[in-house]
This record gives sequence, structure tokens and C-alpha cells, in this order.
Amino acid sequence: GAVVSQHPSRVICKSGTSVKIECRSLDFQATTMFWYRQFPKQSLMLMATSNEGSKATYEQGVEKDKFLINHASLTLSTLTVTSAHPEDSSFYICSARDPPGIRNEQFFGPGTRLTVL
Amino acid sequence: QKEVEQDPGPLSVPEGAIVSLNCTYSNSAFQYFMWYRQYSRKGPELLMYTYSSGNKEDGRFTAQVDKSSKYISLFIRDSQPSDSATYLCAPLPPNAGNNRKLIWGLGTSLAVNP
Repeated sequence: GAVVSQHPSRVICKSGTSVKIECRSLDFQATTMFWYRQFPKQSLMLMATSNEGSKATYEQGVEKDKFLINHASLTLSTLTVTSAHPEDSSFYICSARDPPGIRNEQFFGPGTRLTVL
Repeated sequence: QKEVEQDPGPLSVPEGAIVSLNCTYSNSAFQYFMWYRQYSRKGPELLMYTYSSGNKEDGRFTAQVDKSSKYISLFIRDSQPSDSATYLCAPLPPNAGNNRKLIWGLGTSLAVNP
């Protein structure tokens, strides 16, 4: 199957700092990438959908100024958590969908565990 | 009513048992039904998916969809300790475009005991 990587896998930061998480599709071009957040014992919560070269579409209740998403190329999307606070501590997972007409499947990265002190 | 309902478990079975994992959904327009497996502290991985009603088999795994009752099942035969994970069902809405969003169940936590 296709491979999606995330970096870093784990980050600990102080309250008020910004954290950038990278998501890369390694062996396919992803026109669409998704960013999720997952709290312990809960399901995945979609935060936003990003399409290469255009602005991300955020889900209701997700602050776009706090969670900055950039999808500058067909293989890279970044999520920046600005001015992070302890309540932002969570497991952030990206996924990438290969273009329509190929497999049209959604492949997930390994996740990034963010801890804000 | 939630769009996808899934019993979170935990479900604990002995090694070698047949496991049945289930979801119900509310939107009759759903056509693709995905099953993902998520190990602790990892991202989900796609196990298999089915289109419309019917069965699909892949090794020890069988996915079954009954659209008339809006019921999705995943069966695991000869379960192994390595199958211990959370299993998430995720129907895919039929609206066109690459931005289609998976609708996630809560996930069922499975523990297979040696």
C-alpha cells in the first residue's frame, strides 16, 4: 500500500509556542490531504481538508487561525498549531488520498503526539 | 442518531476465536464501507472495503454489508494476539469529488489473549 509519513512523531512544547507537523505522501501524489485529531479512547475527528494549491476547508468548530494548514505540493502538507496550549495536547494524524481514478483510497500517517506543557 | 454507531467494547477473546465486529449506520446513501485497524499510538491502516451489499474476503478477514438493515460486519477467523487493536468502520458518503469525508465510528477495542 501507499506510504504516508509524519514528522515529528512526538513533540513536547511549552505553552504559547507554535508547532509544525509535516505530512508527506512518499510514493504517490496526493491532491487531497486530511488532518485529524484524536483524543484518548475516542474516534478520529476531522479538522480540515486540504487540496494542493488552495486554501484548506475547516470543519465546524476548528479555528483556522490557530491550526494553519499549508498544502504547497502534491506530496507535502503541513499543520502548524499556533500559540499552543495544554488543551491542544492530542494525537494528530494526517491522511492522503490518491487521485480519483487510481485507487481512491485514503492512507494514514503514523500520527504525531503533541504534548503542551 | 449518530451517522455511524459502533460498540467501543472492549472485546476480549481467546486466541483462535472467531471475532465479529459490527457497525450500524443511518444514511442509506452510503455505498463504500471501509474497515480500518488502529494499533495503539499509531495511525489507522485500511484493512479492506466493500462496495454496496455483499461479502468480501481477504485471508482471515471477511467484510459483510447488509444495506437493507444498514448493518456492517467484520469477521476475523483464527484470531491472533497480533489482531489486538481498535477496529474502526468508516462509510464513505457518495457525494462526488476527492473531498469526500469518511464518517467514523467510535471504534471497537479488541484484545486477543494467547
